[in-house]
Amino acid sequence: KAGVTQTPRYLIKTRGQQVTLSCSPISGHRSVSWYQQTPGQGLQFLFEYFSETQRNKGNFPGRFSGRQFSNSRSEMNVSTLELGDSALYLCASSLTGTANTEAFFGQGTRLTVV
Amino acid sequence: GNSVTQMEGPVTLSEEAFLTINCTYTATGYPSLFWYVQYPGEGLQLLLKATKADDKGSNKGFEATYRKETTSFHLEKGSVQVSDSAVYFCALSPSGGANNLFFGTGTRLTVIP
Repeated sequence: KAGVTQTPRYLIKTRGQQVTLSCSPISGHRSVSWYQQTPGQGLQFLFEYFSETQRNKGNFPGRFSGRQFSNSRSEMNVSTLELGDSALYLCASSLTGTANTEAFFGQGTRLTVV
Repeated sequence: GNSVTQMEGPVTLSEEAFLTINCTYTATGYPSLFWYVQYPGEGLQLLLKATKADDKGSNKGFEATYRKETTSFHLEKGSVQVSDSAVYFCALSPSGGANNLFFGTGTRLTVIP
């Protein structure tokens, strides 16, 4: 079956702009989580959506937001981009996100802010 | 709070050498523990997991035991191969699920023939 698909794979944006990243989970998976990966901070949890509702949230400013559609596809949006937002953004899907369910990761979207 | 401290890398080993990557954690409650692997150009893949104290997770010759008394989950493999070269991440989930993971900084392993 198809894996987790993230689009686009690469993005270059200018400071102050906004960006939207997309994640299509594995068919049947209802939980989608987003992570930011940087050399300095490592992998950090952004938020998780389940059945179109944000269920968990990490410690990121309000410029980072997300949503989930009825088909479980998810988008994350970053407004007023800063240089420090340059990172690999990873999406993970799981059946329910609860105990004994495995997270499957996409290949990520590499965002460069110039 | 929740956090994972992972052995700094990079680690370079010869083929068939013994591997240990140390991981310790701080958590409230009873977390589940995971090891993920990231091969070049790919996303993270679950390598193994343990959901309660004294559980041993194992996969592809890798093992890790959930030690509550030492808050550790060290990754071991008896004989590494060149194909094991990758970045390894230790992670914990406070809820036990896969939806809110706290990761260590990752350890890059290079295995030379």
